[in-house]
Amino acid sequence: QLQLQESGPRLVKPSETLSLTCNVSGVSVTNTHYYWAWMRQPPGGGLEWIGTVYYTGSTYYNPSLESRVTISVDTTRNLFSLRLSSVTAADTAVFYCGRHYGDDPFDVWGQGTLVTVSS
Amino acid sequence: VLTQSPGTLSLSPGERATLSCRASQSVNRNYLAWYQQKPGQAPRLFIYGASSRPTGIPDRFSGSGSGTDFTLTISRLEPEDFAVYYCQQYDSLPLTFGGGTKVEIK
Repeated sequence: QLQLQESGPRLVKPSETLSLTCNVSGVSVTNTHYYWAWMRQPPGGGLEWIGTVYYTGSTYYNPSLESRVTISVDTTRNLFSLRLSSVTAADTAVFYCGRHYGDDPFDVWGQGTLVTVSS
Repeated sequence: VLTQSPGTLSLSPGERATLSCRASQSVNRNYLAWYQQKPGQAPRLFIYGASSRPTGIPDRFSGSGSGTDFTLTISRLEPEDFAVYYCQQYDSLPLTFGGGTKVEIK
């Protein structure tokens, strides 16, 4: 059964880099049908797509975050990762990892992890 | 930009819910999805392709529309249907979500 699980620090200081990992179980990240994505949701707010990675390393980013975002995939450990640099309090959010099949919508989501930006 | 209305819908169990999602430009190929989100949970895909239901989604949920105007209808609200619903377009990058409609118990 496919499962996605986010992990990483829950508290990040302003101006530092937020780093999260999504561990994938039940399917290989190298499956050619799937793309792997990060989304976020500020407390009480709506959803925002951050970006998507394919197993080859190709990436697609939201222009609103592109200058600060890096998403990568590790095929040997079957996971993908998010780095968001120069964070501020406005980056406090629940971060979700997810999967989409080709150009289909997100059919599988991780449970989400709340990351707070505060000194 | 996807604009959802109303922001909040107050209804009783058994009533019909009609949620709207309007796009600022045409969503081609009907690449419009709807998600349900309950407090403390991740969103769950309920409708894709504007009108198709994934396996396991009850048939009281139906989606319709094309171009810039889309609708999610819940024919008869069950207690478990009270939640926030988001639309999402996956026709073009950046992928975008609407602001959500909360369906609450009246």
